[in-house]
Amino acid sequence: EDQVTQSPEALRLQEGESSSLNCSYTVSGLRGLFWYRQDPGKGPEFLFTLYSAGEEKEKERLKATLTKKESFLHITAPKPEDSATYLCAVLGSWSGYSTLTFGKGTMLLVSP
Amino acid sequence: DAGVTQSPTHLIKTRGQHVTLRCSPISGHKSVSWYQQVLGQGPQFIFQYYEKEERGRGNFPDRFSARQFPNYSSELNVNALLLGDSALYLCASSGTGTGMNEQYFGPGTRLTVT
Repeated sequence: EDQVTQSPEALRLQEGESSSLNCSYTVSGLRGLFWYRQDPGKGPEFLFTLYSAGEEKEKERLKATLTKKESFLHITAPKPEDSATYLCAVLGSWSGYSTLTFGKGTMLLVSP
Repeated sequence: DAGVTQSPTHLIKTRGQHVTLRCSPISGHKSVSWYQQVLGQGPQFIFQYYEKEERGRGNFPDRFSARQFPNYSSELNVNALLLGDSALYLCASSGTGTGMNEQYFGPGTRLTVT
């Protein structure tokens, strides 16, 4: 069974204080790893897809990296509007079906 | 451009009843996926449909079923509702490949079972 563990569960940062969120995974045959952002009461918003170890993607203050066992979401000089829950998900397969497994998320709060 | 739309927004049902949730994907997207999100947890994958065929299935009981229509909209049906079915039900569409990458989510339907 595919598993995704995100840490920390919650993170509080001061504006401008850079940090990283972790996503460790076990999956049979990784077909992709995804990062999403979710604001309270809304559906998740797509951020990145990573397919193979060593791959990196960037978008504004966010940078996602991937190894064979984990992914990191680096947040550089965060602003209060970056406050949200960040979700990691892995795409695998089971009995010929595609399966997508999400972690519980990291709740990020950036204070001014 | 319209994003993914879901209806209804909120729903209250009684144990044992049946519920139908609806989803319209982004125009041009052929894949629709359904997820259940309980408060404080990440979304749990229920089904994926691509070109009106089931292409993905999560670990949910047979009380859960879905279908995709010729216009690529989708319905999620849940029979014999249990208290534990109370959750936010999310629909996502994708226009990439067979549909599990770069998914765009709707706002969800909040289901409360009493």
